[in-house]
Amino acid sequence: GQNIDQPTEMTATEGAIVQINCTYQTSGFNGLFWYQQHAGEAPTFLSYNVLDGLEEKGRFSSFLSRSKGYSYLLLKELQMKDSASYLCAVRDQDTGRRALTFGSGTRLQVQP
Amino acid sequence: KAGVTQTPRYLIKTRGQQVTLSCSPISGHRSVSWYQQTPGQGLQFLFEYFSETQRNKGNFPGRFSGRQFSNSRSEMNVSTLELGDSALYLCASSLRLAGALSGANVLTFGAGSRLTVL
Repeated sequence: GQNIDQPTEMTATEGAIVQINCTYQTSGFNGLFWYQQHAGEAPTFLSYNVLDGLEEKGRFSSFLSRSKGYSYLLLKELQMKDSASYLCAVRDQDTGRRALTFGSGTRLQVQP
Repeated sequence: KAGVTQTPRYLIKTRGQQVTLSCSPISGHRSVSWYQQTPGQGLQFLFEYFSETQRNKGNFPGRFSGRQFSNSRSEMNVSTLELGDSALYLCASSLRLAGALSGANVLTFGAGSRLTVL
C-alpha cells in the first residue's frame, strides 16, 4: 500500500516563497506528481518527478529524493491566484501505470 | 482542443437510488480513470479503463461500476446509493505511454460531477 503525508494548511504572503512538503511510503516507485486545485475546480497538472533532483517550471519547482521518500513543491513570487489546494500524488506498482495515489492536499492561503 | 467533459455537473439523489455519470475524454486519449473526492478522504482511485476494458480497480464496493465505449467515452454507475457516496466524482483521461515512459502518464481531469445523496 501507500501512505502519503502533506501538511493540511499553509499561509504565506504575496510575493514570498513557500515550500510544500510531501513524504510518501510506497513500493515500486514510478513517479511523483503535483497538482493544483482551486476551490470548485478540477485538479490541474503542475509537475512530474521520477528521478532525484529539482525540476523547475517558471515560478514553480519540484524536488524529489527517492531514498528519503520525500518531495517538495516550491512556489516563488507568490500571487493571490496561487491560493489553492496542492495535491501530491504517487504512481507505483500497486496502482498500475496510470492510476495515482493522492495525499489529502495542502490548502495554501496567500495573504496580501 | 476540448478538455475532459463530465456530465452532469451537479445532481441530487436519495438513498437507495442509482446514478450514472458520464465522461468524454480529450480527443486521442484512450485511457479514462475515475476518482472520488471527499473532504475527509481526499482523492481516491475508483477504476481505470482502456480499450473498453477495466485495467485497474480501487478499493470500492461492487456498487461502484463503470464501462468504456468504443469511442473512449466512459460512464460510471453507483447503485443503491448511501449517504456516504456524496462526493465529487472526477474523471481523468490520459495517453497510454508504454514501457519506460509508462510512469509519466499525466492525468487531465474534468471539472467533476458533484453528487449529493439525501
